[in-house]
Amino acid sequence: EDQVTQSPEALRLQEGESSSLNCSYTVSGLRGLFWYRQDPGKGPEFLFTLYSAGEEKEKERLKATLTKKESFLHITAPKPEDSATYLCAVQDDLQGAQKLVFGQGTRLTINP
Amino acid sequence: KAGVTQTPRYLIKTRGQQVTLSCSPISGHRSVSWYQQTPGQGLQFLFEYFSETQRNKGNFPGRFSGRQFSNSRSEMNVSTLELGDSALYLCASSRQSGLAGYNEQFFGPGTRLTVL
Repeated sequence: EDQVTQSPEALRLQEGESSSLNCSYTVSGLRGLFWYRQDPGKGPEFLFTLYSAGEEKEKERLKATLTKKESFLHITAPKPEDSATYLCAVQDDLQGAQKLVFGQGTRLTINP
Repeated sequence: KAGVTQTPRYLIKTRGQQVTLSCSPISGHRSVSWYQQTPGQGLQFLFEYFSETQRNKGNFPGRFSGRQFSNSRSEMNVSTLELGDSALYLCASSRQSGLAGYNEQFFGPGTRLTVL
């Protein structure tokens, strides 16, 4: 069964203090790994899709990387508005499936 | 381009009642998936519909059901509500599966269901 584990559960940083969030996964055949951001009371907001080991994607202060066992979300010089819960999810290669298996998320707080 | 919309946004029901939630996907998206989000279990997959057919189902009891219409809009129904059904129900749409770059799921704001 697909499994996704995110660490840490919560992370507090000072504004400008860079760090990384981890997503470890176990899946029979990876179709895609997805990163989402979720603000309180809202639906998850799509950030990145990664398909194969070695792939990297960037958006503003965020950079996502992928290996065969895990993905990292690097946050460079974060600002208070980057505070949110970051969710990682995997989709396996079962044909036609759109099922995402999510981790429990990392709650990120950026203090000014 | 309008995003995924869900109605109603908030709902309060009592045990034993049933509820229907609605989801309108992004224009052009044919796949609609439903998820339940709770503090204890996180985000869990309920089911996915494509071209009015259920293609995949998560580990939820038969009280949870859904359907999709020809315009890709979808509804989910929960019968005989239990206290543990209190959750944020999220709908997500995507263009189609099978091709890289077409699998991204875009979520709506959710329906907050409270069962008393």
